[in-house]
Parts: sequence; C-alpha cells; structure tokens
Amino acid sequence: QPVLTQSPSASASLGASVKLTCTLSSGHSDYAIAWHQQQPEKGPRFLMKVNSDGSHIKGDGIPDRFSGSSSGTERYLTISSLQFEDEGDYYCQTWGTGFQLFGEGTRLTVL
Amino acid sequence: QVQLQESGPRHVKPSETLSLTCTVSGVSINSYYWSWVRQTPGKGLEWIGYLYYNENTNFNPSLKSRATISVDTSKNQFSLRLRSVTTADTAVYYCVRDLGAFDIWGQGTMVIVSP
Repeated sequence: QPVLTQSPSASASLGASVKLTCTLSSGHSDYAIAWHQQQPEKGPRFLMKVNSDGSHIKGDGIPDRFSGSSSGTERYLTISSLQFEDEGDYYCQTWGTGFQLFGEGTRLTVL
Repeated sequence: QVQLQESGPRHVKPSETLSLTCTVSGVSINSYYWSWVRQTPGKGLEWIGYLYYNENTNFNPSLKSRATISVDTSKNQFSLRLRSVTTADTAVYYCVRDLGAFDIWGQGTMVIVSP
C-alpha cells in the first residue's frame, strides 16, 4: 500500500494562488487520488479526483478556480483567486483493492 | 441529488456497542460501494470499512476485529456496528459513497464514549 504525505500547513494571501501537494510513496506513481476540503466546523467535501496522467474530474458545484494536476508521485491541488472561505483543512485520499488511505491533511490559511 | 444522513446514539458507554445507520436518498444503494469514515477530535480522517450491496465487506485492519457493516436494501440504508468501544472511539462518524474516491459525504454524527 502507498503512503500519502502532505505538508501540515500552507498560507497565501487573499486573491492569490496556492498549490497544495500530496506525495505518494515511492513505487506508487500510478495511483489516482482524491482531494477533500474541510472548512472549520464542517464535514469534508469532495473536490476532485486527480489521475496519474494529470487529468481530473471535479465534484458537483466545485468552482473553476480549483484545479488538479500530477507529476510523478506528486498530486497537486491549485486554488486560484483565494477567498477567505477557502480556509480549512485539505485531505488527499487514495485507494486500492481492499484499502482506503488518507493523508494527514494540510491546513490552509488565507492571509 | 444524492444525500446521505447518519443517525444513532450520541453517547455510548465503554465496552458497549456503537451502532449507526446511514440513510441514502436519491440513488439506489444497490449500485455502489459505501464506506464509513471517522474523525477523532482535532485529528485526521480514518477509513473504517466498506460494503457492497451484496454484503461484500472489507475493513481497516486496525478495526477489523470489532467492526461490522450491514445493509438493508429495502430501506436503502447501511449500518455500522463497532463492538467493545473505548474512549478512543469518540469521534465524528461519516458515511460516504465509495467510488474509490469518496464523492459524497454525509454531514457526520458525533459519538461520545463515556461512562
């Protein structure tokens, strides 16, 4: 099974862009991942699935300023035109036969 | 619109069994895999296990000995039972649609394990 690694925190200014990274452990570059957003005091919300080729499929109602990409074992979530409502925790998730795994999450602060 | 709603007791005593139900609306439960996920206070997300409508299940190895997931297709519901709970099982429990990616989440229900 892979391991998912995320930076504990990130910050960016209102209106700017930020790129969050989820790293799959070595040898697992073929895995797709999903990104989930958890705003303060709320449950998680599915943002998108990001495939190993960089293609991504977003959930219903997810704004265009959220996008995904890939490079090797890294999977990215880019948020442009940051809003205060984008503050919260961002988790990546991957899966395989008989397992589901989460990264430990990145806490995003909008300055 | 697909929606999931968890229900069950908020308080459970140590050593007893935690029981939660997820009611699915907007889609037949027969069509997908369904999972339970929990989040302990201030911590990250932990997958508990999944179920397919034919009652095929799989669990996180750390919880496999205590967890059961079942389905009631006539009510479009699936349920979690977690035996022999301790205070470490205090968490918000979510039911989710499992496409591999968890694409739809319930709002979550807090369960507190205390004497």
